This record gives sequence, structure tokens and C-alpha cells, in this order.
Amino acid sequence: AQTVTQSQPEMSVQEAETVTLSCTYDTSESDYYLFWYKQPPSRQMILVIRQEAYKQQNATENRFSVNFQKAAKSFSLKISDSQLGDAAMYFCAYRGYGGSQGNLIFGKGTKLSVKP
Amino acid sequence: KAGVTQTPRYLIKTRGQQVTLSCSPISGHRSVSWYQQTPGQGLQFLFEYFSETQRNKGNFPGRFSGRQFSNSRSEMNVSTLELGDSALYLCASSPRLAGGPGYEQYFGPGTRLTVT
Repeated sequence: AQTVTQSQPEMSVQEAETVTLSCTYDTSESDYYLFWYKQPPSRQMILVIRQEAYKQQNATENRFSVNFQKAAKSFSLKISDSQLGDAAMYFCAYRGYGGSQGNLIFGKGTKLSVKP
Repeated sequence: KAGVTQTPRYLIKTRGQQVTLSCSPISGHRSVSWYQQTPGQGLQFLFEYFSETQRNKGNFPGRFSGRQFSNSRSEMNVSTLELGDSALYLCASSPRLAGGPGYEQYFGPGTRLTVT
């Protein structure tokens, strides 16, 4: 069975600085999706960035970028120029390619604090 | 485009009762998935519906059921509520089933269920 591990329960960053959140996963599949979701105190789960396993190029969305290492099964999220509004729980998630392979599998999350 | 909406946002029920939660996906989205979020178990997949058919099911007892209507709106029902069913129930929609490029899931704000 696929698993997703986020080894950092909590992280802290100074406003305007850069922080990297770690995520590793385990799968025997070659095609799959990886996602980072943000969940602020409002509890609304917001899609931050996604990566498709067949793409070697790392995904970027404005201040958010990933370091996708397929062989190492690693998928870290880098937040540049951190802002107060980035404070939230961040979840890494895996999704198999096939329609019958269940659905999103989430890590336990990393709570990110941003200091002014 | 309006996002995923869930009603009600908050609900308090008594053990043994049943409850129905509703989810309206983003316009044009045909897949609706349900997740349960608790502090202890994290985010767990309940089921996925596509074109009114249940496509995937997570590891939950038969007390948890769902359905999808022809307009893609979905409901989930929990019968004989237990204290452990207290959780945030999240609904997510996507345009299609997983497989192939460009797959994404967008979440609603959730329904906070408290069982007393």
C-alpha cells in the first residue's frame, strides 16, 4: 500500500525568508500524482502545487516550488519570500494514476508558523 | 466559477442518530470524493462518485454511505452515529477520474460534525 510521510510536525520561518517542507512517499507505481495542499485555520483545503510523476521538470507556482526526486521518492515544497498568510498546515498527498487506485493519500501534515 | 460548497457547515448530533451531509461540486466537475479529517487519524478517504456511480471506497464501516445525483451533487450519510464519528468531513471535486495528465482535486470548506 502507498504511504506518505511528513517527518516535520512543525516548522517555523521568518517573514520574507525561505522554508522547505519535506515529504517522502512509498509506491511501486511508475505513474502517479503528487500534491501539496495548504489548510489555514479556516480549514479550507487549498491546492498549492501539483506534480505528475512522468514530468522530470519540477513544478513551480509563484513563490512555491517543489523538488521532485522520483528515484528517492521525495517531494519537498519550497516557499520563498514567506508571508504571514502562508501560516497553515501543509499536507503532502499522493494519488495513483488508475481510477481504481483509491483516492488521495495524505501525510500527517506540517504546521508552518511565520514570524513577523 | 464558484468553488465546492458544503452544507451544513456545522452540525451537532446525538449518538445513535443519523446525519446527511451535502456537497455541490464546481460546475462541470463530475467526480466527487469525500474525506474524514480527525486529529488522531488525519485525512482518510471515504468514497468517490463519478456519474452517479461509486467508483472507489475507503476502509469505513457500512454506516457510512453516499450517493451522487444527476447534477453531480453528492450526499453522504452516516447512520447510528458514534462519538468517534466527530470529525471534519471534506468534499472534493474534480472534472474527471484520475489517470492521464492534468488531474486535480478541489476541496470544499468542510462540515464540522460533533457527536455528543
